Amino acid sequence: ETGVTQTPRHLVMGMTNKKSLKCEQHLGHNAMYWYKQSAKKPLELMFVYSLEERVENNSVPSRFSPECPNSSHLFLHLHTLQPEDSALYLCASSQDRRGAYEQYFGPGTRLTVT
Amino acid sequence: AQKVTQAQTEISVVEKEDVTLDCVYETRDTTYYLFWYKQPPSGELVFLIRRNSFDEQNEISGRYSWNFQKSTSSFNFTITASQVVDSAVYFCALSEAWETSGSRLTFGEGTQLTVNP
Repeated sequence: ETGVTQTPRHLVMGMTNKKSLKCEQHLGHNAMYWYKQSAKKPLELMFVYSLEERVENNSVPSRFSPECPNSSHLFLHLHTLQPEDSALYLCASSQDRRGAYEQYFGPGTRLTVT
Repeated sequence: AQKVTQAQTEISVVEKEDVTLDCVYETRDTTYYLFWYKQPPSGELVFLIRRNSFDEQNEISGRYSWNFQKSTSSFNFTITASQVVDSAVYFCALSEAWETSGSRLTFGEGTQLTVNP
């Protein structure tokens, strides 16, 4: 595998379910990110991890819980979501947090909350 | 605060036409970085180019070219002889230097390009 991979690619869940999104990067990067992309809205940065430490949390509701067990893996744990949480969730990684480095994105998980 | 504006929401062209996607940015920093990404229907954002604020040299890569003009705060993207496979949403993005905002990448709202056969 190369680049950034995400699983599952599609997920349908009820509001009372608990599920997790997984991201893995094979680029040797030190920073990882979760973004939310809703229809008709710009990409929203949710969380930033640098060397497995969460360094940014952009006022994301607690029903989204990230986890970064090592520099190659990133999870987003979901529970009691709302229909407005339906979106494309994108994972990205970069060499480190500095703005000079481009981010590489995974294919995303298309989440539908029913 | 940094801001990226892509005024063109949708553009439709016929194959082989040239097309320019506009990007205007705002930043108070003197050191910053500009990016273009392509998002095809599959959903994955594909990195196309990075430019730093000290390098105003235009760049050409095959049918793609980028025009960076600091005087007008613009970083426009031109596709020459467009092809159907160029159909995608294109995002312009801005990142300021580490000292001011770390890794925050601010995206424009994207331009949907449709190339018709």
